[in-house]
Amino acid sequence: AQSVSQHNHHVILSEAASLELGCNYSYGGTVNLFWYVQYPGQHLQLLLKYFSGDPLVKGIKGFEAEFIKSKFSFNLRKPSVQWSDTAEYFCAVSTTSGTYKYIFGTGTRLKVLA
Amino acid sequence: DAMVIQNPRYQVTQFGKPVTLSCSQTLNHNVMYWYQQKSSQAPKLLFHYYDKDFNNEADTPDNFQSRRPNTSFCFLDIRSPGLGDAAMYLCATSRDWTGGQFFGPGTRLTVL
Repeated sequence: AQSVSQHNHHVILSEAASLELGCNYSYGGTVNLFWYVQYPGQHLQLLLKYFSGDPLVKGIKGFEAEFIKSKFSFNLRKPSVQWSDTAEYFCAVSTTSGTYKYIFGTGTRLKVLA
Repeated sequence: DAMVIQNPRYQVTQFGKPVTLSCSQTLNHNVMYWYQQKSSQAPKLLFHYYDKDFNNEADTPDNFQSRRPNTSFCFLDIRSPGLGDAAMYLCATSRDWTGGQFFGPGTRLTVL
């Protein structure tokens, strides 16, 4: 069965540190890839998405992610985090070949220390 | 502002008493989704509509039903809630299959 793995459940960083959150999926077909963010007390928001073209995708608030097909990965990066990036981050994968699936990872809680 | 609205934000029901959660959108998106999210878990897709075409996830319990009377509204009916159905229920929309989803604030369901 298809699955999405986020290996880091909790990450604590100081401001200005660089961030990389891992996301791996298991599915051999064509996929669309997403990162969502949920700030404290707010609802899920789309950070960025990939469905074709340049595997390096830039999103809002200085985030980017790179799709590496050979590694089934879509890691999220930010060169310098801010206190306001404290949130929960979810990776998601959708597949449209065959039965439509939309699967979320279990999330990574990021805490940025001021 | 275009948005996804869920009502109520908090719902308390009794074991076995039917409950309906509602979702509306002003985005005019084709696809509407219902997710169940339990504490510290990933959102789990229950079903979705592409226009009027209903798609049920294979492992969604029969206890859960959905209606989409028009483009803007979608309802989640839980016919006989059990204690295990206590969760946050999220509604989301997207323009099509490849687009990112826009989420509502969720309805937190408590079952007594």
